[in-house]
Amino acid sequence: GAGVSQSPSNKVTEKGKDVELRCDPISGHTALYWYRQSLGQGLEFLIYFQGNSAPDKSGLPSDRFSAERTGGSVSTLTIQRTQQEDSAVYLCASSLARAREQFFGPGTRLTVL
Amino acid sequence: ILNVEQSPQSLHVQEGDSTNFTCSFPSSNFYALHWYRWETAKSPEALFVMTLNGDEKKKGRISATLNTKEGYSYLYIKGSQPEDSATYLCAFIVSGAGSYQLTFGKGTKLSVIP
Repeated sequence: GAGVSQSPSNKVTEKGKDVELRCDPISGHTALYWYRQSLGQGLEFLIYFQGNSAPDKSGLPSDRFSAERTGGSVSTLTIQRTQQEDSAVYLCASSLARAREQFFGPGTRLTVL
Repeated sequence: ILNVEQSPQSLHVQEGDSTNFTCSFPSSNFYALHWYRWETAKSPEALFVMTLNGDEKKKGRISATLNTKEGYSYLYIKGSQPEDSATYLCAFIVSGAGSYQLTFGKGTKLSVIP
């Protein structure tokens, strides 16, 4: 079946612009996670969704970052007024439930000039 | 702040060698440990989810053990092949309400030389 998909695969933007990153999880997966990997760093947790609600937003680095999930499916991660330190690979993952194995999308590489 | 440590950071082995690496995590409030393989230009792929102290899991030439009391897990690869070249990540989740995130280590980058 179809895996997790993300779009765009690459995004280059200018400092100060807003960007939206999209994630389509595997059908039926209620848990959805956003991570990012900055250069030389490990995977950093951003936010977790169970259905449409986000019980854990503790990883969002600032109030410029927000995310939503609709219909228990597609999720968008929005970064407002992008900064150069936001440059990273943003990965989305879904799973059947918390703590079960996660299935990752291919990621969106964001470059802020 | 939870800390997951992986060692070594990188490893070069000859094809056919067996190898192993370590993941260390806090031993309190343990819930589950995950191992993922992340090949270049691909997405991380789950290898194992381990929950019980003393767990041993195997998938082909790759196996893993878990010690929750002392807070470590080992990943073993028997007879390494070039296609095993990847970064191997472990990730830890704590128990308790409100605990949802996997905390990842920085990974062990394995290069298998033909």
